[in-house]
Amino acid sequence: ETGVTQTPRHLVMGMTNKKSLKCEQHLGHNAMYWYKQSAKKPLELMFVYNFKEQTENNSVPSRFSPECPNSSHLFLHLHTLQPEDSALYLCASSPDGTSGYNEQFFGPGTRLTVL
Amino acid sequence: GQNIDQPTEMTATEGAIVQINCTYQTSGFNGLFWYQQHAGEAPTFLSYNVLDGLEEKGRFSSFLSRSKGYSYLLLKELQMKDSASYLCAVRDSNYQLIWGAGTKLIIKP
Repeated sequence: ETGVTQTPRHLVMGMTNKKSLKCEQHLGHNAMYWYKQSAKKPLELMFVYNFKEQTENNSVPSRFSPECPNSSHLFLHLHTLQPEDSALYLCASSPDGTSGYNEQFFGPGTRLTVL
Repeated sequence: GQNIDQPTEMTATEGAIVQINCTYQTSGFNGLFWYQQHAGEAPTFLSYNVLDGLEEKGRFSSFLSRSKGYSYLLLKELQMKDSASYLCAVRDSNYQLIWGAGTKLIIKP
């Protein structure tokens, strides 16, 4: 595997379900990100991890819970979601989270539908 | 607040040239990025500008004017595969990326 991978690619869940999204990067990067992408809206940064430490939480509801066990893996645990949480969830990584030129590499995303 | 503005949609003809504009108002500036995103796919990096001027990379060029809070992406010799959304993003003083909503570019034969 190369680059950034995400599983599952598609997920349909009810509002009472619990599910997890997984992201893995094979680039040797130290920073990882979760974004939410809704139609015709800017990418919304949700969480940032730099060297496994969470450095950013953009007022994300507690029904979204991130986990970063190491620099290569990032999870997003979901529970009691709302229909408005339906979106494309993108994971990205970068060499680190603090330098100016810091290109982010994105995974293919998980298309989430909450019924 | 922080804001990135770009046109919602543009249409151009195969073989032509198109310029996609981006204006920004952010707390600090540590570089501007352009990404391309095909429908249903991940965004991919196109260009990075941190100093004023033009950066050329093949058929694509990106321009930055920090004093005007303005950038554009210039696509030459358009091909059908260039049909995609183009995302402008600015790195702010906290080194976080602030994203525009993207410009959907439609290429017609």
